[in-house]
Amino acid sequence: AQSVAQPEDQVNVAEGNPLTVKCTYSVSGNPYLFWYVQYPNRGLQFLLKYITGDNLVKGSYGFEAEFNKSQTSFHLKKPSALVSDSALYFCAVRALNSGNTPLVFGKGTRLSVIA
Amino acid sequence: DGGITQSPKYLFRKEGQNVTLSCEQNLNHDAMYWYRQDPGQGLRLIYYSQIVNDFQKGDIAEGYSVSREKKESFPLTVTSAQNNPTAFYLCASTPLTGPADYGYTFGSGTRLTVV
Repeated sequence: AQSVAQPEDQVNVAEGNPLTVKCTYSVSGNPYLFWYVQYPNRGLQFLLKYITGDNLVKGSYGFEAEFNKSQTSFHLKKPSALVSDSALYFCAVRALNSGNTPLVFGKGTRLSVIA
Repeated sequence: DGGITQSPKYLFRKEGQNVTLSCEQNLNHDAMYWYRQDPGQGLRLIYYSQIVNDFQKGDIAEGYSVSREKKESFPLTVTSAQNNPTAFYLCASTPLTGPADYGYTFGSGTRLTVV
């Protein structure tokens, strides 16, 4: 079975400071990993993904994520947070050889960037 | 512009009434998905379809029904058997073939409220 854990319901950070939103996963075999962002009353928007290759993945709006196979983690990071980054962030996973099974999403982490 | 359209944006249902949420995409995507979002619970999969005239139950299919008569359309009916339907409903789509895996494209959601 596939699963995703986002251990923090809420992350608060001051504008200009680095931010990290944590994600750990469980799959059989190698994972496809994704991060999405959701603004109020909107659908989810794709930020970045990891399939294979470099463990550091760069995505939209200055976000990046680091894949760590030994720790089964895929934490989202940004060097300098903006107030406009305040939103709900979701991590998602599926197994690489799972025959197109649906993504499994975490429960989401609400990021609040304070000016 | 290509995209995925959900309608209506807001929907009110009376007790014992069936309602249908619309999801249409012009992206030529093969697979379509319905997720339910409740505060603190993330996204939970209701139904998905990878080909016309075929669909599979997700984790919380009870009280819901779907159809996939056209590739572009995947309507969700919330039946009177769903005793707690108040939630935000998200439709998503993705191609199933191509040189690399793709993330999902999401609609803007329908907020359903029981009155």
